[in-house]
Amino acid sequence: SQQGEEDPQALSIQEGENATMNCSYKTSINNLQWYRQNSGRGLVHLILIRSNEREKHSGRLRVTLDTSKKSSSLLITASRAADTASYFCATSSYNTDKLIFGTGTRLQVFP
Amino acid sequence: EPEVTQTPSHQVTQMGQEVILRCVPISNHLYFYWYRQILGQKVEFLVSFYNNEISEKSEIFDDQFSVERPDGSNFTLKIRSTKLEDSAMYFCASSRGTSGRNIQYFGAGTRLSVL
Repeated sequence: SQQGEEDPQALSIQEGENATMNCSYKTSINNLQWYRQNSGRGLVHLILIRSNEREKHSGRLRVTLDTSKKSSSLLITASRAADTASYFCATSSYNTDKLIFGTGTRLQVFP
Repeated sequence: EPEVTQTPSHQVTQMGQEVILRCVPISNHLYFYWYRQILGQKVEFLVSFYNNEISEKSEIFDDQFSVERPDGSNFTLKIRSTKLEDSAMYFCASSRGTSGRNIQYFGAGTRLSVL
């Protein structure tokens, strides 16, 4: 089974609109993290939410976590062209240090 | 701000050749990782390293792969005899502590092209 499925696979919006990306996972987690990847580049950490947290904010980012549904969402408010990138969720489980990444959402923000 | 650095940014090699990918983790970090991303696919875990030994490895990390921390700053991934399917972006990451409480910081990656 796949840990970390994201939807939508691709999202196109206009500058100023909000973008919402969802991530579902299958096993129990310790925390869930969101990363951004600009085309062909490295992974930049955005935000970490622990399993006992339900919501977290960082600037224009809002992350929610519903452990009963095994899902998380990332909301980017007032998007900018510079937010164009792929966004990945990654889960950390107990008894392991590896991160398991989702399939990613490609976000395109048009000016 | 401290960052993970990886060299080279792009490595081209012939099938069957050995390659060494290099990483300098963040200086006060204790946990080190390698991941890879085949073009258009998910980022996949390869190996984690702590206290000078492998703490976990994936099925991908077979006998062709090895990791080493030869000195106090570098962390390397060696692929002994490259195959076409090893072509991917390889990411090094480091963290201060275990993933339960600590962020893994990633380098910009090395794109490996096996011809």
